[in-house]
Amino acid sequence: EIVLTQSPGTLSLSPGERATLSCRASQSVSSSYLAWYQQRPGQAPRLLIYGASSRATDIPDRFSGSGSGTDFTLTVSRLEPEDFAVYYCQQYGSSPPYTFGQGTKLEIK
Amino acid sequence: QVQLVQSGAEVKKPGSSVKVSCKASGGIFNTYAISWVRQAPGQGLEWMGGIIPIFATPNYAQNFQGRVTITADESTSTAYMELSSLRSDDTAVYYCARGPSPPHYYDTNGYPYHFDYWGQGTLVTVSS
Repeated sequence: EIVLTQSPGTLSLSPGERATLSCRASQSVSSSYLAWYQQRPGQAPRLLIYGASSRATDIPDRFSGSGSGTDFTLTVSRLEPEDFAVYYCQQYGSSPPYTFGQGTKLEIK
Repeated sequence: QVQLVQSGAEVKKPGSSVKVSCKASGGIFNTYAISWVRQAPGQGLEWMGGIIPIFATPNYAQNFQGRVTITADESTSTAYMELSSLRSDDTAVYYCARGPSPPHYYDTNGYPYHFDYWGQGTLVTVSS
């Protein structure tokens, strides 16, 4: 089973700043199989990035994804108040088909 | 536009079972997987299993083998997740989720690489 480790656990930043979130896999993951989600309190996860770097529908261009192999990054170029939430990476694999990282909480400093 | 609407919150006793439904509208229901993902309070996301309705053969995560049953009713475009032998640590929000509009980003079995659409979640509380 591929384990995804996200860092940091909590990131404290101010609106307007740049956020960089990391997702490291225990084994190599195809870029096609790596996605990022945002989850606000009391809401279902929302797909942000798929295929490691493609933005989902209606996602603002301040969100970008990059990486390959075992190291992937989600960047938010200029934080807006609504961006403070928890972020998860997810990979599609073989068994089990899906695993998620433990999440990074992005909080207002 | 795909919409997934789940059944309401449940309170269950330890040792009992719960069955959560997920009704889909829009998009193709039969030939692409619906998955179930759970989230314990303050915790992360955990994939439980999925089903491709037309095949009716579910795929379960090892952690839930023997306790979870996932089914689908093609006539009503509804998927179900039943969890038995409930324990207090099964207290969680349970989500159904689906992939993007096909055919891209799916494996040869009909499971998506990622989840574009999510239900609103169903809180299941297990308490004596």
